[in-house]
Amino acid sequence: GAGVSQSPSNKVTEKGKDVELRCDPISGHTALYWYRQRLGQGLEFLIYFQGNSAPDKSGLPSDRFSAERTGESVSTLTIQRTQQEDSAVYLCASSLRGGKNTEAFFGQGTRLTVV
Amino acid sequence: QQQVKQSPQSLIVQKGGISIINCAYENTAFDYFPWYQQFPGKGPALLIAIRPDVSEKKEGRFTISFNKSAKQFSLHIMDSQPGDSATYFCAATLNQAGTALIFGKGTTLSVSS
Repeated sequence: GAGVSQSPSNKVTEKGKDVELRCDPISGHTALYWYRQRLGQGLEFLIYFQGNSAPDKSGLPSDRFSAERTGESVSTLTIQRTQQEDSAVYLCASSLRGGKNTEAFFGQGTRLTVV
Repeated sequence: QQQVKQSPQSLIVQKGGISIINCAYENTAFDYFPWYQQFPGKGPALLIAIRPDVSEKKEGRFTISFNKSAKQFSLHIMDSQPGDSATYFCAATLNQAGTALIFGKGTTLSVSS
């Protein structure tokens, strides 16, 4: 596809369960970002992948959160032992590497509801 | 130093009026300042961006004003329309590999017809 694709679009899970969220970036984009957006709130940075460099994990809120990316392709964000405060829209974005092309293209997000 | 502070949190403007949203940053190394627009249920999309070597950039009804010495930048929407009603986010980053976009908390704009 032409844009960033996220799946699932909606996820309802029980408190304490683990969830995996998937992001397919735009082909050729070496940078990939995960953000969290709580209802009516701003974009909270979680993690950033750039090519083969070590990811910037400084935004992950706890050790229950982790993310992986294989090369310059798909990324998965995993939340273990989900809590109600994890309920939010999780947005993924990708961009071309550095230079003048820093525009980040966002997916439509995964709405996670923890009940 | 990594924060970007955005104001106001919400804004109501009459159709045809000027909408102004302000942002301030601390990290003087930031060199790329985009604005993103988000409609309900959608991901944010790039609206307009500026680099610190210019003080103003205009694209149609949207203008970014940049004040490097004050470490502030603002978005001006001229002739605001109901279709402009959305949430606007400013952001900042280092325009090089290895740094993420840092976003402000957003401004919800409502343009009344």
